[in-house]
Amino acid sequence: SQQGEEDPQALSIQEGENATMNCSYKTSINNLQWYRQNSGRGLVHLILIRSNEREKHSGRLRVTLDTSKKSSSLLITASRAADTASYFCATDESGGYQKVTFGIGTKLQVIP
Amino acid sequence: DAGVIQSPRHEVTEMGQEVTLRCKPISGHNSLFWYRQTMMRGLELLIYFNNNVPIDDSGMPEDRFSAKMPNASFSTLKIQPSEPRDSAVYFCASSETGTPEQFFGPGTRLTVL
Repeated sequence: SQQGEEDPQALSIQEGENATMNCSYKTSINNLQWYRQNSGRGLVHLILIRSNEREKHSGRLRVTLDTSKKSSSLLITASRAADTASYFCATDESGGYQKVTFGIGTKLQVIP
Repeated sequence: DAGVIQSPRHEVTEMGQEVTLRCKPISGHNSLFWYRQTMMRGLELLIYFNNNVPIDDSGMPEDRFSAKMPNASFSTLKIQPSEPRDSAVYFCASSETGTPEQFFGPGTRLTVL
């Protein structure tokens, strides 16, 4: 079964607004990653947060992790039309090897 | 580096035919993953190789699917015989051993008629 579940499944915002996507997972993890997938393309790694971290920033991206709630959020600030894509969280389980499990994704549309 | 290379990019075949998908991982990456993506099931891990050895093939749907990695720079995913329900986008990804970040290829869109 899928480890991560993103919420919402679809999000439509105006350019310049902030976009927040959430991810929930079920088991203890080592790391949580966020990936982006543009239509018809492969996934691209955005950011990784380790289980002992609570927040991480990369450019316009901000990721938080709450291991007690088994949840993470991805915030994209000052969104651009080019941010239109699907966003996936991916988790790798504690004690496991490199296998990661991807959620079902959030489809973000940024309207110019 | 050219990134992960997959071929073909598109494949249309008829039910019952053999299909072979190919992947060249990023040079120096020791781990290779095959995924299948569909609207209904999302992104599913089919098989994972480390140092050319299959580590976890529990995601391979059935015996019609097989994967090989004869050397560090090449892997194949074969479906024989193919069925319409195999229609999906198949991704190959690679990573360095010990690091969770994966680099994805552009995918092969397979249509089985």
